[in-house]
Amino acid sequence: EAQVTQNPRYLITVTGKKLTVTCSQNMNHEYMSWYRQDPGLGLRQIYYSMNVEVTDKGDVPEGYKVSRKEKRNFPLILESPSPNQTSLYFCASSLSEGESSYEQYFGPGTRLTVT
Amino acid sequence: KQEVTQIPAALSVPEGENLVLNCSFTDSAIYNLQWFRQDPGKGLTSLLLIQSSQREQTSGRLNASLDKSSGRSTLYIAASQPGDSATYLCAVRSDNTDKLIFGTGTRLQVFP
Repeated sequence: EAQVTQNPRYLITVTGKKLTVTCSQNMNHEYMSWYRQDPGLGLRQIYYSMNVEVTDKGDVPEGYKVSRKEKRNFPLILESPSPNQTSLYFCASSLSEGESSYEQYFGPGTRLTVT
Repeated sequence: KQEVTQIPAALSVPEGENLVLNCSFTDSAIYNLQWFRQDPGKGLTSLLLIQSSQREQTSGRLNASLDKSSGRSTLYIAASQPGDSATYLCAVRSDNTDKLIFGTGTRLQVFP
C-alpha cells in the first residue's frame, strides 16, 4: 500500500531533550516536506526537500533540523525542544515531475507535547 | 508573499444541500492548487489537484474550479451527506517557489 508513515504518533517530552520524528514514504517521491499545524494558524511548512541531499527552509524552520540521506526517509530533528514546539506535525511527499507533480500525500501526524 | 484565505471559516448545512467552499490567493502566479479533507485529529486526504493550466477537476460529488486571474478556487460539493463533515483545506504552490501555502480551512458540518 502506498503510504507515508510517521513515528512516533504521540510523544510527550521535556524541554531540552533531543528528539527525532521519523518519516518514510514508499512511493519513490522526490519531494518531501514537514508541516506543523496549530489552532488558528493552520498548516505551516517547516522544511522541505526536493531530493536526496537537497533541503530548504519553509516558513517556520527555527528550532528544527532535517536530513535527506535516502530518498524514502526525511527525519525531523528537534535538538533542544521548547514548549512552543508543542504541535501536531505532518510529513508529506509528492512527485516533482509529471501530471500529478506536487500532489501532496500526508502521513497520519505526530502529536508532540513539550513540557 | 503568497497568502491563502478560506471563507467561510465554518459552515453548517442540512443533509442534501449543494454547497460551495471558497479559497482565494493573493499571487496569481501559481503552479497548482490542491484541496484536502481533514477529519478531527487525523491527517490530510487529497481530494482534488488542479494544475495551473486547468480550469476544473471533478471527482464523484466534488468539483473544484480554478480562476487564476482572479485568484480564486471553489470546491463544490453536491448532495452533501453527514459523512462529508470535516475540515476542508486548500493549498497553493506558487510558480517561483517550492513551498506550499495553506489556507486555514473551512469546518463543515452536515447534519441529518
